[in-house]
Amino acid sequence: DAGVTQSPTHLIKTRGQHVTLRCSPISGHKSVSWYQQVLGQGPQFIFQYYEKEERGRGNFPDRFSARQFPNYSSELNVNALLLGDSALYLCASSQGAFSNQPQHFGDGTRLSIL
Amino acid sequence: AQTVTQSQPEMSVQEAETVTLSCTYDTSESDYYLFWYKQPPSRQMILVIRQEAYKQQNATENRFSVNFQKAAKSFSLKISDSQLGDAAMYFCAYRGSNSGYALNFGKGTSLLVTP
Repeated sequence: DAGVTQSPTHLIKTRGQHVTLRCSPISGHKSVSWYQQVLGQGPQFIFQYYEKEERGRGNFPDRFSARQFPNYSSELNVNALLLGDSALYLCASSQGAFSNQPQHFGDGTRLSIL
Repeated sequence: AQTVTQSQPEMSVQEAETVTLSCTYDTSESDYYLFWYKQPPSRQMILVIRQEAYKQQNATENRFSVNFQKAAKSFSLKISDSQLGDAAMYFCAYRGSNSGYALNFGKGTSLLVTP
């Protein structure tokens, strides 16, 4: 079975631009979470979606938004990009939204802001 | 807010030896889950082992085991018979049953395995 897939693998943008990152969960998984991992740090939680509804949001500005589609795939959108948005963006999926269910991560999208 | 602390930025172990990675956390919740994730240079975060706070028995997965001390809020990872493929960043993570669905990660420990 395919794992969590993310696209693109690497992306280069300039300040002020907009970016869309995509994630396909493991087949049968209905929950998708997004994390930002700045170099040298642990991942920071951005969003969780379950059954197309937002179930949790981390301490990120409104420039960050996301959505989940009927097939449970998800998009993370970031507007008005700043240099500080340069990071590895990780998507994780789980079967449900319960805290005891392990999250399975994709390989991430490396976003570089020039 | 829950915080996870990994006090060892880097650790080194020889092949076939045993190494222990430390993790402490701060929470007011009684029901929660703890995880260790491994992140090799390939970037993918791989689940190594998990522990439910209500279980007294320490979790074990092959060469990986944890020492869970709930009162001390400590959750260390022991890797036995270390292999070259164990070299990676290791992250300790907390997830509360009442505080949402987010994983709270520590800053990580970089493990070097020498031949």
